[in-house]
Amino acid sequence: SQQGEEDPQALSIQEGENATMNCSYKTSINNLQWYRQNSGRGLVHLILIRSNEREKHSGRLRVTLDTSKKSSSLLITASRAADTASYFCATLNTGTASKLTFGTGTRLQVTL
Amino acid sequence: DTAVSQTPKYLVTQMGNDKSIKCEQNLGHDTMYWYKQDSKKFLKIMFSYNNKELIINETVPNRFSPKSPDKAHLNLHINSLELGDSAVYFCASQRGLQETQYFGPGTRLLVL
Repeated sequence: SQQGEEDPQALSIQEGENATMNCSYKTSINNLQWYRQNSGRGLVHLILIRSNEREKHSGRLRVTLDTSKKSSSLLITASRAADTASYFCATLNTGTASKLTFGTGTRLQVTL
Repeated sequence: DTAVSQTPKYLVTQMGNDKSIKCEQNLGHDTMYWYKQDSKKFLKIMFSYNNKELIINETVPNRFSPKSPDKAHLNLHINSLELGDSAVYFCASQRGLQETQYFGPGTRLLVL
């Protein structure tokens, strides 16, 4: 079964607005990672947050992790048209060494 | 200087054929992966090699056979292709077993 479930499945906002995407998972994790995939392209790593961390920032990106609720959120502030892409969370579960389990993705559309 | 490269980018073939797709990384990473992304964008791990040794083998039909001639290369051979094999196949590499994964651009396979 899928580990990560992103919410919402699709999000449409205007340039300049903030976009928030959520990810829920089911088992204990070592870390959680967010990736971006532009249409027809490969995945690009955005942020990795470890299980003992609660928040991380990278430029306009802010990721939070709540291990008690088994959930994470990705916030993109001041969105741009170039942020249009699919965003995936992926969990590295404890005991599985190197196996990343991906969520279903959120399709973000940023319009001018 | 492409970090993770895949060939071919597109592959259109008939049912029953045998085909190979190749992956190379120039990052000096020890671990490489094959993922399959279906039409609904769900990304699922297939195989992983660490230092040329198979460490992850998900429930994949044995028509799929990975081969790692050296740490920088991981190839995927598929025998007797079926319609359901149509998907995008992504290669990825990773330095340590719990670190960020770097993805290739994908190979779009269409089986007719």
